[in-house]
Amino acid sequence: GAGVSQSPRYKVAKRGQDVALRCDPISGHVSLFWYQQALGQGPEFLTYFQNEAQLDKSGLPSDRFFAERPEGSVSTLKIQRTQQEDSAVYLCASSLYLIPPGQGAIDSYNEQFFGPGTRLTVL
Amino acid sequence: SQQGEEDPQALSIQEGENATMNCSYKTSINNLQWYRQNSGRGLVHLILIRSNEREKHSGRLRVTLDTSKKSSSLLITASRAADTASYFCAVRREYGNKLVFGAGTILRVKS
Repeated sequence: GAGVSQSPRYKVAKRGQDVALRCDPISGHVSLFWYQQALGQGPEFLTYFQNEAQLDKSGLPSDRFFAERPEGSVSTLKIQRTQQEDSAVYLCASSLYLIPPGQGAIDSYNEQFFGPGTRLTVL
Repeated sequence: SQQGEEDPQALSIQEGENATMNCSYKTSINNLQWYRQNSGRGLVHLILIRSNEREKHSGRLRVTLDTSKKSSSLLITASRAADTASYFCAVRREYGNKLVFGAGTILRVKS
């Protein structure tokens, strides 16, 4: 497809339910990011993949959150035993190039292309 | 927690006026980016300024960066009703790939 797609666009879950959110990045993009955006706030980083490898998961708020990208393309963010505080928009982004860790060359730049997000409401 | 802080939190102007939004951040950065988000839509990248740049233009957008003050500003000239949206600054730290966003400025342009 032309851009990053996410599904479902809206998800309503009862507290305690498990949910799975899907992200289809732009074809050929090496890097994939997940962000969480609470109402009235800016996005907050959750986790990042380089191909199938999860290189940074420092933003995942608890061990109820799990992300995978088994074949290096589509990614799934899973939230187990959802709580009301998990209600937010979950954004996925992908980028083409990869800057290796530790190489912060001043001209390095990966533009991140964002999907429309999945709005999760936990009742 | 979020890195940047934008001000003002909300801005309401008349069509044709200029809009200025400010962003402050806390750490050394590789670059700073501005994004727009319309209601119910994803983030759209507007402009990027690298840490060794002081000013950049793109159409009606002008971005400045002051690394000594760890701050940036976004100026939208001759605003249009279609510019109504939330605007976020995001910094990419000196090493790493993730973006750290501010809380955003809500801009309303009245026609």
